Amino acid sequence: AQSVTQLDSHVSVSEGTPVLLRCNYSSSYSPSLFWYVQHPNKGLQLLLKYTSAATLVKGINGFEAEFKKSETSFHLTKPSAHMSDAAEYFCVVILQGGSEKLVFGKGTKLTVNP
Amino acid sequence: NAGVTQTPKFQVLKTGQSMTLQCAQDMNHNSMYWYRQDPGMGLRLIYYSASEGTTDKGEVPNGYNVSRLNKREFSLRLESAAPSQTSVYFCASTVSQNYGYTFGSGTRLTVV
Repeated sequence: AQSVTQLDSHVSVSEGTPVLLRCNYSSSYSPSLFWYVQHPNKGLQLLLKYTSAATLVKGINGFEAEFKKSETSFHLTKPSAHMSDAAEYFCVVILQGGSEKLVFGKGTKLTVNP
Repeated sequence: NAGVTQTPKFQVLKTGQSMTLQCAQDMNHNSMYWYRQDPGMGLRLIYYSASEGTTDKGEVPNGYNVSRLNKREFSLRLESAAPSQTSVYFCASTVSQNYGYTFGSGTRLTVV
């Protein structure tokens, strides 16, 4: 079975400090992994994706994530938080088998304090 | 640049009423999906359609039906709404799993 676990339901940082949102996955196959962001009362926007190419993936708005197979992790980072980064972030794994279904983590709400 | 369009954006229903949530995409995507989002639960798949003419159940299909009307449109129907179906519903589509999904802006449904 494939699943994804976001280790923190809430993360709070100060503006200008680094952001780390943690995600671990469980998969029998080499996974495809994504991070999505959802701002309040908005839809979901793709931040970045890993699909078995480079293990360090760069996304939009200065975010990046590193795929670590040995640790089954795909943590999302940003060197310096901005107030506009306040949102909910979802780690997502592709469910293999041809149906192309995404399996979502439960989300991490990021608060950025001035 | 419409992407995925969902209607309506908000709806209040009484228990037992029926309604259909509409979704249309203009990106020529083969696969379309319906998710519901509840606090602390992430997004859970209700139904999906891998291609025109096919539909399959997801994780939480009970109380819902879907229709893939054509390649563009994928509707979700609640035949007899229940308070447990109060949620935010998202439609999504994709051309291929490696591209990720494009999501609509959601329908906020309240059943009283």
